Amino acid sequence: QVQLQESGPGLVKPSETLSLRCSVSGDPIKGYYWSWIRQPPGKGLEWIGYIHYSGSTKYNPSLKSRVTMSVDTSKNQFSLQLTSVSAADSAVYYCARLTGIGWYFDLWGRGTLISVSS
Amino acid sequence: QSVLTQPPSASGTPGQRVTISCSGSSSNIGRNGVSWYQQLPGAAPKLLVDSNDQRPSGVRDRFSGSKSGTSASLAISGLQSEDEADYYCAAWDDSLNGNWVFGGGTKLTVL
Repeated sequence: QVQLQESGPGLVKPSETLSLRCSVSGDPIKGYYWSWIRQPPGKGLEWIGYIHYSGSTKYNPSLKSRVTMSVDTSKNQFSLQLTSVSAADSAVYYCARLTGIGWYFDLWGRGTLISVSS
Repeated sequence: QSVLTQPPSASGTPGQRVTISCSGSSSNIGRNGVSWYQQLPGAAPKLLVDSNDQRPSGVRDRFSGSKSGTSASLAISGLQSEDEADYYCAAWDDSLNGNWVFGGGTKLTVL
């Protein structure tokens, strides 16, 4: 059974960099695209970007200048860095698997709540 | 404001059939498949119907998806109290060099 688990700091100060990691268990990370999606409290879903196991990326144009994703196939993990955070970046951050065939998010992590506050 | 438009709420009584709409444009739904996600209270979203209108293993056949032109719909038949949740549509958008877009979500209440 494939599982995704997000990990992160919980609280980040304004203007600092948010770093999150998603650990994948039960299946190799190779062969898929991996994505980050966030959800502000009480609001809808926003796609942040995806990374292919080969390292190629695509980011949401509205966040592109602040986002960097990376993948570590040896550890079966992928990561997100979001720079210059503000209160507007407070959200539950989900990692998800994006199928290359069919093109949909077939597996999701449980999410991690990130609050931006001084 | 979301790129895909969903009604903010929907409701029905047990046993009824309910449909949730998702309206987009030629750059997203008009060209690409639509997937649907169910988010139970306090939980992560879960794939309900994939972009080929197929249900993953474990999803009841009471849920079905369809698409016509630049709109899509999720139908839920034989409504049950456990279906009370938020539902989101999503599609790949070919504009701006490609971007995933979501609907704003529909909160389904079982009366």
